[in-house]
Amino acid sequence: GAVVSQHPSWVICKSGTSVKIECRSLDFQATTMFWYRQFPKQSLMLMATSNEGSKATYEQGVEKDKFLINHASLTLSTLTVTSAHPEDSSFYICSARILNEQFFGPGTRLTVL
Amino acid sequence: AQTVTQSQPEMSVQEAETVTLSCTYDTSESDYYLFWYKQPPSRQMILVIRQEAYKQQNATENRFSVNFQKAAKSFSLKISDSQLGDAAMYFCAYRSTMYSGGGADGLTFGKGTHLIIQP
Repeated sequence: GAVVSQHPSWVICKSGTSVKIECRSLDFQATTMFWYRQFPKQSLMLMATSNEGSKATYEQGVEKDKFLINHASLTLSTLTVTSAHPEDSSFYICSARILNEQFFGPGTRLTVL
Repeated sequence: AQTVTQSQPEMSVQEAETVTLSCTYDTSESDYYLFWYKQPPSRQMILVIRQEAYKQQNATENRFSVNFQKAAKSFSLKISDSQLGDAAMYFCAYRSTMYSGGGADGLTFGKGTHLIIQP
């Protein structure tokens, strides 16, 4: 199956700093990638849809100026959490779409102190 | 907007037995996809099975099968011959076939069911 990687797998940062998370499709090209957020013992919530070469589409309630998404190539999408606060601490998961199936990355655990 | 409901926060089954996980959804669309994903403690999302709404035949993947009732908007997952490795969180998910540029292509997940396998 298709492989999606995320880097880093975990990160700890201080409040007020910015953190960048990378999502890569390793063996295929993905024109569309998705970013999800999962709080402890909860479900995945779609944050935004990332399209190569165009602006991301954000779900209602997700601050686009806080969660910056860049999809500069067909194999890489990045999520930057700007001015992170403790409430941004969560598990962030990306996925890449091929036809009618999505392949998920292993996730990134963000802890903001 | 579509919603997905999993009414069983936790289920327990004896090893080698059969268990059924429930999922209902709400949509006004006639064509869509439904999925069951498994999330083990590693947190890696693994696709278990997929059903296309326009197909009447229930999808089957080895020990995993679904009971898709379109009129009732129900999509349950049956796991036969349960194994210890099946222990995980199971999420039911919905995807529209209509791309509107507003994230309709993304997945809407239920809250999940924690499946425990008793040895």
